[in-house]
Amino acid sequence: SAVISQKPSRDICQRGTSLTIQCQVDSQVTMMFWYRQQPGQSLTLIATANQGSEATYESGFVIDKFPISRPNLTFSTLTVSNMSPEDSSIYLCSVAPQVETQYFGPGTRLLVL
Amino acid sequence: KQEVTQIPAALSVPEGENLVLNCSFTDSAIYNLQWFRQDPGKGLTSLLLIQSSQREQTSGRLNASLDKSSGRSTLYIAASQPGDSATYLCAVYGSNYKLTFGKGTLLTVNP
Repeated sequence: SAVISQKPSRDICQRGTSLTIQCQVDSQVTMMFWYRQQPGQSLTLIATANQGSEATYESGFVIDKFPISRPNLTFSTLTVSNMSPEDSSIYLCSVAPQVETQYFGPGTRLLVL
Repeated sequence: KQEVTQIPAALSVPEGENLVLNCSFTDSAIYNLQWFRQDPGKGLTSLLLIQSSQREQTSGRLNASLDKSSGRSTLYIAASQPGDSATYLCAVYGSNYKLTFGKGTLLTVNP
């Protein structure tokens, strides 16, 4: 298993600003993922972040809006840029230390006014 | 494109009742299937992982089944308790570790 922490746990931001979310894992993992859960919706994969390579974004998500860093095997950041109220969501990171098994962080609850 | 559907969207039962949550997926070419629990304001807790070669998995009062050919999975909860109240999410693994989630079933167990 893996223990994952995220910072901040929640935030309220003004439109037009940016927020960087941190994800820390207690062990080295190659594969890390970022998800978004909009109100009343299911989780949607934003991107896959593997250390040593550029993040791979899913359809509908772009690097300019959601830049991701993965400086080492235990840490990653997701930035939500130029925020609008539509970005109000829960953002979760996950890791896959074993094949086809993912563990999730507690999430970051973002409200954009 | 994989789509995951969960039925019912919400369920309210009295304490002690046995219940079944349903999950269906459109593409049977999955690797594993995982059931999660999400409490309000919290992250996801993994409940059961069923590998593609397995038919079911059990953990305590929980039993999950998988029928790949029909694209279905069920989560059985025995002797439900108020502490079981949460949203239950079904997710399937496709290629490249990608998870596709259903929208979840909101379960309320009344004392």
